[in-house]
Amino acid sequence: DAGVIQSPRHEVTEMGQEVTLRCKPISGHNSLFWYRQTMMRGLELLIYFNNNVPIDDSGMPEDRFSAKMPNASFSTLKIQPSEPRDSAVYFCASRHGKGAVGANVLTFGAGSRLTVL
Amino acid sequence: DQQVKQNSPSLSVQEGRISILNCDYTNSMFDYFLWYKKYPAEGPTFLISISSIKDKNEDGRFTVFLNKSAKHLSLHIVPSQPGDSAVYFCAATSGGSNYKLTFGKGTLLTVNP
Repeated sequence: DAGVIQSPRHEVTEMGQEVTLRCKPISGHNSLFWYRQTMMRGLELLIYFNNNVPIDDSGMPEDRFSAKMPNASFSTLKIQPSEPRDSAVYFCASRHGKGAVGANVLTFGAGSRLTVL
Repeated sequence: DQQVKQNSPSLSVQEGRISILNCDYTNSMFDYFLWYKKYPAEGPTFLISISSIKDKNEDGRFTVFLNKSAKHLSLHIVPSQPGDSAVYFCAATSGGSNYKLTFGKGTLLTVNP
């Protein structure tokens, strides 16, 4: 298994531009999570999906952020318009949700480092 | 309000000695705790976990201790190796249908040869 795959690995853009981050979860995993890592706030949960349905988006900072999961093998996190304070590493993670350990353990992708100038 | 706290941003130990990483939590609903390890330019990887019904879980060189009354857990690495140098995140969840994994800010462990 190739693990959780994220793209792009690095993105540099200018303020006001649209940014789209992509994620392919592990096949068979039924939950997908988007996290953001910053120095100030650490790893914070933005949104998560269960069986492609958004369950909790209370961590999404504002309306400029949106996430979709059109099918079990793909998700996007979009920022429009982007601002310098959105600069961070964005991680996607998935879990299979089965068993005592699998129900709680997330497998993370390598992250997408976003820099907004 | 930070529900999971790792108060030591960094820790440095000698190879072969014990590394002890600490974590405190405030939410009494948390019932499952995990430690993740993160190398630069990589995503966090799962290391070890413990359920609130236990007070200790061991996996090779790694042992996690849970003190529910103090709302405190710790990760012991014995013996420490240079390859253990990484950022360690403590995480907690209350499980159930509304699953959320809440992370601490991490502790950078450096193991010196």
